Amino acid sequence: EPEVTQTPSHQVTQMGQEVILRCVPISNHLYFYWYRQILGQKVEFLVSFYNNEISEKSEIFDDQFSVERPDGSNFTLKIRSTKLEDSAMYFCASSDRSRTETQYFGPGTRLLVL
Amino acid sequence: GDSVTQMEGPVTLSEEAFLTINCTYTATGYPSLFWYVQYPGEGLQLLLKATKADDKGSNKGFEATYRKETTSFHLEKGSVQVSDSAVYFCALISRGTGNQFYFGTGTSLTVIP
Repeated sequence: EPEVTQTPSHQVTQMGQEVILRCVPISNHLYFYWYRQILGQKVEFLVSFYNNEISEKSEIFDDQFSVERPDGSNFTLKIRSTKLEDSAMYFCASSDRSRTETQYFGPGTRLLVL
Repeated sequence: GDSVTQMEGPVTLSEEAFLTINCTYTATGYPSLFWYVQYPGEGLQLLLKATKADDKGSNKGFEATYRKETTSFHLEKGSVQVSDSAVYFCALISRGTGNQFYFGTGTSLTVIP
């Protein structure tokens, strides 16, 4: 069964450093998402992406964040200058149509900012 | 705004016990409701869903009924197994407000033999 993959599974970085989290969505999917979960808190929506542009973003997704689909398979989340409060589990998801009721999630990347 | 509140964990049950994980929601519009499960080291997997009031979602022995009058979507299973040990997330998509999920905090379930 096709699945969403994410790399790395864990990342430790120093405050102020840039990080890139990578996702490979399911191959025939067209809509891509990032969510995050700070430890002990809810899973929160960050951004959705379709047709090479952001379709929706939350208040969390400020200028420090960017997303990109650099080739036909990868979908990346970049944090330009990490802050301590960016420490969280980041989940990528994909779906095959908009407003779909099934998004397929990856296993997550646990980011720790020191 | 839209939100989901689910039962705090962790929950520990003996094998074959009855499971209930409570979930209530607040939404504008007409939400679809979901339960996702995360097994250790894996991604969030859709467990079941319901798209309108009084619908019952079911899968792998789990059930949840969309109750509009109580704004609830409680997850139940009659007899849990050790393999059900995982984190369970209640979530909604509100059709009038885009295609982003609103999740609860997750409830960790451990089933002991």
